[in-house]
Amino acid sequence: GDSVTQMEGPVTLSEEAFLTINCTYTATGYPSLFWYVQYPGEGLQLLLKATKADDKGSNKGFEATYRKETTSFHLEKGSVQVSDSAVYFCALSDRYSGYSTLTFGKGTMLLVSP
Amino acid sequence: NAGVTQTPKFRVLKTGQSMTLLCAQDMNHEYMYWYRQDPGMGLRLIHYSVGEGTTAKGEVPDGYNVSRLKKQNFLLGLESAAPSQTSVYFCASSYQTQDRVNTEAFFGQGTRLTVV
Repeated sequence: GDSVTQMEGPVTLSEEAFLTINCTYTATGYPSLFWYVQYPGEGLQLLLKATKADDKGSNKGFEATYRKETTSFHLEKGSVQVSDSAVYFCALSDRYSGYSTLTFGKGTMLLVSP
Repeated sequence: NAGVTQTPKFRVLKTGQSMTLLCAQDMNHEYMYWYRQDPGMGLRLIHYSVGEGTTAKGEVPDGYNVSRLKKQNFLLGLESAAPSQTSVYFCASSYQTQDRVNTEAFFGQGTRLTVV
């Protein structure tokens, strides 16, 4: 079955540091890949997505590239801010199945200090 | 623009009590889902629906029932609550594009349920 593995947290960084959160996946079909962000007490919001190999998703300074050869979708940001402190979830969805259930990683908490 | 709305936001139940969580979406999405979120476990799919009148089991369906009588609503029921069902519950919805690509899911704000 499908699965997503992401690095365990918490990841603790100082403001303006470089961020990488690793995500690898196993999928039987041809998945779309997503990063979601969850701020304290809130639901999940889509951060970025990529639907085919070599696509790069980007939003709010975050980027991730769909690497089919390494089955990875690592999240990066060049300079983090305190407001980026949140839990980040990597997820996949079978692109062409008759329905679309997301398979999530366990989440990585990011803590950014001033 | 409401998106996905869950009610209630918080609830405390005694063991053995029943309750229904309501999810409503105003985006005309075909697909709807219920997930539970537990520390260190990520999000796990309880049940889902691919259209009005249809439901299917997800990864952790035991102890829950669902109904989708109207396209915009997806109800999650707990018939006899247990402490193991203490969790944060999220509803989500999504659709397929015209070329049948599955889109991302849109999430509600969550329901924090405590069973004592």
